[in-house]
Amino acid sequence: AQRVTQPEKLLSVFKGAPVELKCNYSYSGSPELFWYVQYSRQRLQLLLRHISRESIKGFTADLNKGETSFHLKKPFAQEEDSAMYYCALFIQGAQKLVFGQGTRLTINP
Amino acid sequence: DAGVTQSPTHLIKTRGQQVTLRCSPKSGHDTVSWYQQALGQGPQFIFQYYEEEERQRGNFPDRFSGHQFPNYSSELNVNALLLGDSALYLCASSSDRGQYEQYFGPGTRLTVT
Repeated sequence: AQRVTQPEKLLSVFKGAPVELKCNYSYSGSPELFWYVQYSRQRLQLLLRHISRESIKGFTADLNKGETSFHLKKPFAQEEDSAMYYCALFIQGAQKLVFGQGTRLTINP
Repeated sequence: DAGVTQSPTHLIKTRGQQVTLRCSPKSGHDTVSWYQQALGQGPQFIFQYYEEEERQRGNFPDRFSGHQFPNYSSELNVNALLLGDSALYLCASSSDRGQYEQYFGPGTRLTVT
Protein backbone atom coordinates (compact mmCIF):
# COMPACT_ATOMS: atom_id res chain seq x y z
CA ALA A 1 0.00 0.00 0.00
CA GLN A 2 1.13 3.54 -0.70
CA ARG A 3 0.86 5.68 2.37
CA VAL A 4 2.39 8.77 3.91
CA THR A 5 2.15 9.29 7.64
CA GLN A 6 2.79 12.51 9.51
CA PRO A 7 2.37 11.53 13.16
CA GLU A 8 2.08 15.08 14.54
CA LYS A 9 -0.97 17.15 13.63
CA LEU A 10 0.32 20.08 15.64
CA LEU A 11 3.86 21.15 16.52
CA SER A 12 4.78 24.20 18.50
CA VAL A 13 8.35 25.42 19.09
CA PHE A 14 9.99 28.64 20.18
CA LYS A 15 11.78 30.97 17.81
CA GLY A 16 15.43 29.97 17.48
CA ALA A 17 14.80 26.38 18.53
CA PRO A 18 15.40 23.44 16.17
CA VAL A 19 12.44 22.05 14.25
CA GLU A 20 11.81 18.53 13.03
CA LEU A 21 8.62 17.54 11.24
CA LYS A 22 8.28 13.80 10.89
CA CYS A 23 7.23 11.91 7.78
CA ASN A 24 7.16 8.18 7.21
CA TYR A 25 6.12 6.46 4.01
CA SER A 26 5.10 3.05 2.76
CA TYR A 27 5.90 2.29 -0.88
CA SER A 28 7.27 -0.74 -2.68
CA GLY A 29 8.91 1.23 -5.48
CA SER A 30 11.72 3.77 -5.52
CA PRO A 31 10.31 6.75 -3.60
CA GLU A 32 10.20 10.33 -4.83
CA LEU A 33 9.37 12.45 -1.82
CA PHE A 34 8.44 16.08 -1.38
CA TRP A 35 7.59 18.61 1.26
CA TYR A 36 4.86 21.11 0.46
CA VAL A 37 4.05 24.14 2.59
CA GLN A 38 0.93 26.24 2.89
CA TYR A 39 1.28 29.62 4.56
CA SER A 40 -1.80 31.39 5.87
CA ARG A 41 -4.14 32.42 3.03
CA GLN A 42 -1.70 31.17 0.39
CA ARG A 43 -1.75 28.23 -1.95
CA LEU A 44 0.06 24.97 -1.47
CA GLN A 45 3.62 25.32 -2.72
CA LEU A 46 6.56 23.02 -3.16
CA LEU A 47 9.19 23.51 -0.45
CA LEU A 48 11.73 20.88 -1.40
CA ARG A 49 12.18 17.48 -3.00
CA HIS A 50 14.59 14.81 -1.91
CA ILE A 51 16.11 14.28 -5.33
CA SER A 52 17.54 17.81 -5.47
CA ARG A 53 19.12 17.61 -2.02
CA GLU A 54 18.84 21.38 -1.67
CA SER A 55 18.12 23.60 1.30
CA ILE A 56 15.18 25.93 0.97
CA LYS A 57 14.55 28.64 3.57
CA GLY A 58 16.98 26.81 5.84
CA PHE A 59 15.01 23.56 5.68
CA THR A 60 16.55 20.24 4.71
CA ALA A 61 15.17 16.73 4.45
CA ASP A 62 17.05 13.49 4.09
CA LEU A 63 15.55 10.35 2.68
CA ASN A 64 16.23 7.36 4.92
CA LYS A 65 15.18 4.27 2.99
CA GLY A 66 16.01 1.96 5.88
CA GLU A 67 13.61 3.75 8.19
CA THR A 68 11.30 4.79 5.32
CA SER A 69 11.40 8.35 6.59
CA PHE A 70 11.78 11.81 5.11
CA HIS A 71 11.84 14.14 8.09
CA LEU A 72 12.00 17.91 7.55
CA LYS A 73 14.50 19.81 9.68
CA LYS A 74 15.59 23.34 10.40
CA PRO A 75 18.23 24.21 12.99
CA PHE A 76 16.78 27.59 14.05
CA ALA A 77 13.07 28.24 13.66
CA GLN A 78 11.79 31.64 12.58
CA GLU A 79 8.33 33.08 13.13
CA GLU A 80 7.68 33.14 9.38
CA ASP A 81 8.02 29.35 9.33
CA SER A 82 4.58 29.05 10.93
CA ALA A 83 2.49 27.20 8.35
CA MET A 84 0.92 23.89 7.40
CA TYR A 85 3.44 21.35 6.12
CA TYR A 86 2.59 18.33 3.99
CA CYS A 87 4.84 15.43 3.11
CA ALA A 88 4.02 13.85 -0.26
CA LEU A 89 5.05 10.75 -2.20
CA PHE A 90 4.95 10.70 -6.00
CA ILE A 91 3.64 7.42 -7.43
CA GLN A 92 5.28 6.94 -10.83
CA GLY A 93 2.78 4.57 -12.46
CA ALA A 94 -0.31 6.39 -11.24
CA GLN A 95 1.23 9.85 -11.87
CA LYS A 96 -0.15 11.13 -8.59
CA LEU A 97 0.96 12.59 -5.32
CA VAL A 98 -0.04 10.86 -2.10
CA PHE A 99 -0.11 13.32 0.80
CA GLY A 100 0.16 12.93 4.52
CA GLN A 101 -2.41 14.56 6.79
CA GLY A 102 -0.18 17.53 7.40
CA THR A 103 1.48 19.12 10.43
CA ARG A 104 0.58 22.59 11.59
CA LEU A 105 3.79 24.24 12.77
CA THR A 106 3.56 27.21 15.08
CA ILE A 107 6.65 29.21 16.00
CA ASN A 108 6.24 31.09 19.25
CA PRO A 109 8.12 34.38 19.76
CA ASP B 1 2.31 34.34 -15.43
CA ALA B 2 -0.46 34.12 -12.87
CA GLY B 3 0.30 30.50 -12.24
CA VAL B 4 -2.55 28.04 -11.82
CA THR B 5 -5.92 29.74 -11.55
CA GLN B 6 -9.21 28.28 -10.38
CA SER B 7 -12.78 29.48 -10.41
CA PRO B 8 -14.95 30.04 -8.59
CA THR B 9 -13.30 30.69 -5.22
CA HIS B 10 -16.28 29.56 -3.19
CA LEU B 11 -19.45 27.71 -4.04
CA ILE B 12 -22.50 26.63 -2.08
CA LYS B 13 -24.72 23.89 -3.49
CA THR B 14 -27.59 21.73 -2.27
CA ARG B 15 -27.55 17.95 -2.04
CA GLY B 16 -28.39 16.32 -5.35
CA GLN B 17 -27.25 19.24 -7.44
CA GLN B 18 -24.39 19.25 -9.94
CA VAL B 19 -21.31 21.47 -9.91
CA THR B 20 -18.56 22.43 -12.36
CA LEU B 21 -15.19 23.74 -11.22
CA ARG B 22 -12.65 25.26 -13.57
CA CYS B 23 -8.86 25.35 -13.76
CA SER B 24 -6.31 27.04 -15.97
CA PRO B 25 -2.83 25.57 -15.79
CA LYS B 26 0.44 27.40 -15.44
CA SER B 27 1.85 28.63 -18.72
CA GLY B 28 3.81 25.86 -20.44
CA HIS B 29 2.07 23.04 -18.59
CA ASP B 30 -0.02 20.46 -20.40
CA THR B 31 -1.13 18.17 -17.58
CA VAL B 32 -3.82 18.89 -15.00
CA SER B 33 -4.51 16.91 -11.84
CA TRP B 34 -7.42 17.39 -9.46
CA TYR B 35 -7.32 16.78 -5.73
CA GLN B 36 -9.95 16.87 -2.99
CA GLN B 37 -8.91 18.18 0.41
CA ALA B 38 -11.37 17.54 3.20
CA LEU B 39 -11.07 19.58 6.39
CA GLY B 40 -8.07 18.51 8.45
CA GLN B 41 -6.81 16.11 5.79
CA GLY B 42 -4.16 16.15 3.12
CA PRO B 43 -5.17 16.42 -0.53
CA GLN B 44 -6.46 13.22 -2.19
CA PHE B 45 -5.95 12.53 -5.88
CA ILE B 46 -9.13 12.47 -7.96
CA PHE B 47 -7.82 12.19 -11.54
CA GLN B 48 -5.38 13.55 -14.08
CA TYR B 49 -5.91 14.86 -17.60
CA TYR B 50 -3.40 14.90 -20.41
CA GLU B 51 -4.01 15.38 -24.15
CA GLU B 52 -7.71 15.92 -23.39
CA GLU B 53 -8.11 12.46 -21.87
CA GLU B 54 -8.34 11.12 -18.35
CA ARG B 55 -5.00 9.40 -17.87
CA GLN B 56 -5.18 8.29 -14.25
CA ARG B 57 -7.92 8.08 -11.68
CA GLY B 58 -7.98 7.83 -7.92
CA ASN B 59 -10.52 6.10 -5.73
CA PHE B 60 -13.48 8.36 -6.49
CA PRO B 61 -16.92 7.37 -7.79
CA ASP B 62 -18.14 8.00 -11.33
CA ARG B 63 -20.07 11.03 -10.05
CA PHE B 64 -16.74 12.77 -10.41
CA SER B 65 -15.86 13.46 -14.01
CA GLY B 66 -13.70 15.89 -15.87
CA HIS B 67 -12.67 17.37 -19.11
CA GLN B 68 -9.59 18.97 -20.61
CA PHE B 69 -9.77 21.47 -23.43
CA PRO B 70 -7.31 22.02 -26.31
CA ASN B 71 -5.82 25.01 -24.42
CA TYR B 72 -5.04 22.58 -21.51
CA SER B 73 -7.58 24.13 -19.16
CA SER B 74 -9.76 21.67 -17.31
CA GLU B 75 -13.11 21.23 -15.62
CA LEU B 76 -14.13 19.02 -12.74
CA ASN B 77 -17.79 18.01 -12.63
CA VAL B 78 -19.51 16.43 -9.66
CA ASN B 79 -23.04 15.07 -10.04
CA ALA B 80 -25.61 14.19 -7.40
CA LEU B 81 -23.77 16.10 -4.70
CA LEU B 82 -23.55 14.60 -1.23
CA LEU B 83 -22.83 16.38 2.04
CA GLY B 84 -19.52 14.52 2.11
CA ASP B 85 -18.41 16.24 -1.10
CA SER B 86 -17.90 19.44 0.88
CA ALA B 87 -14.19 20.13 0.59
CA LEU B 88 -11.48 22.27 -0.97
CA TYR B 89 -10.88 21.18 -4.54
CA LEU B 90 -7.36 21.77 -5.77
CA CYS B 91 -6.10 21.82 -9.29
CA ALA B 92 -2.43 21.15 -9.98
CA SER B 93 -0.61 21.53 -13.25
CA SER B 94 2.62 20.02 -14.48
CA SER B 95 4.44 19.27 -17.68
CA ASP B 96 4.29 15.75 -18.98
CA ARG B 97 8.06 15.44 -18.59
CA GLY B 98 8.01 16.81 -15.04
CA GLN B 99 5.01 15.07 -13.54
CA TYR B 100 6.31 15.14 -10.01
CA GLU B 101 6.70 18.91 -9.91
CA GLN B 102 3.08 19.93 -9.56
CA TYR B 103 2.01 23.54 -9.11
CA PHE B 104 -1.20 24.08 -7.21
CA GLY B 105 -3.98 26.58 -7.64
CA PRO B 106 -5.66 28.38 -4.74
CA GLY B 107 -8.55 25.93 -4.71
CA THR B 108 -12.33 26.12 -4.85
CA ARG B 109 -14.15 25.74 -1.54
CA LEU B 110 -17.33 23.72 -2.14
CA THR B 111 -19.98 23.58 0.54
CA VAL B 112 -22.90 21.17 0.11
CA THR B 113 -25.93 21.83 2.30
